[in-house]
Amino acid sequence: GENVEQHPSTLSVQEGDSAVIKCTYSDSASNYFPWYKQELGKGPQLIIDIRSNVGEKKDQRIAVTLNKTAKHFSLHITETQPEDSAVYFCAAGNQFYFGTGTSLTVIP
Amino acid sequence: DTAVSQTPKYLVTQMGNDKSIKCEQNLGHDTMYWYKQDSKKFLKIMFSYNNKELIINETVPNRFSPKSPDKAHLNLHINSLELGDSAVYFCASSQGPVNSYEQYFGPGTRLTVT
Repeated sequence: GENVEQHPSTLSVQEGDSAVIKCTYSDSASNYFPWYKQELGKGPQLIIDIRSNVGEKKDQRIAVTLNKTAKHFSLHITETQPEDSAVYFCAAGNQFYFGTGTSLTVIP
Repeated sequence: DTAVSQTPKYLVTQMGNDKSIKCEQNLGHDTMYWYKQDSKKFLKIMFSYNNKELIINETVPNRFSPKSPDKAHLNLHINSLELGDSAVYFCASSQGPVNSYEQYFGPGTRLTVT
């Protein structure tokens, strides 16, 4: 089946610094690459997504980059704030698999 | 207005019991899902229903049976509960196929089997 690897599993940054989370996938038919944020005690919520005809997408402090040739995509959060602390999931694949999650902690 | 709702939020029960979790979405979406999130936070899709038809059924024990009375509801019934069933179960919905559209998740149901 689809293999979606996500790194790192945990990430701590100082407030104001940038955070980068990377995912690799194996299904070359993948065309949709979302990122979800899950806060404690809540369900995941989409924060940004990208489709395969685009290499980069930005929404304020959040950006996603996609390299279809290398089969990896990354989430970039700039000027991190304490409220960015959460678990982040990538997803990919025709059958749609989530990555293993990254627990981000932003230290005030 | 709640987009995707689940009941109950918490469910504590003993091994061998049968239980159900209910899910409703008011977004008018055609596709609904059930996910299991274990203690390590791994999110795994269990079932997907599109207009009341099952379109994904991952390797889930047949003790788990989804039921969709209409496209706004997708309930999950679990027979003969086991300790390993303890997890958080999320319902979700989307406008179209899972590999192309944003999913909207419910708040989750924390199931504890003792």
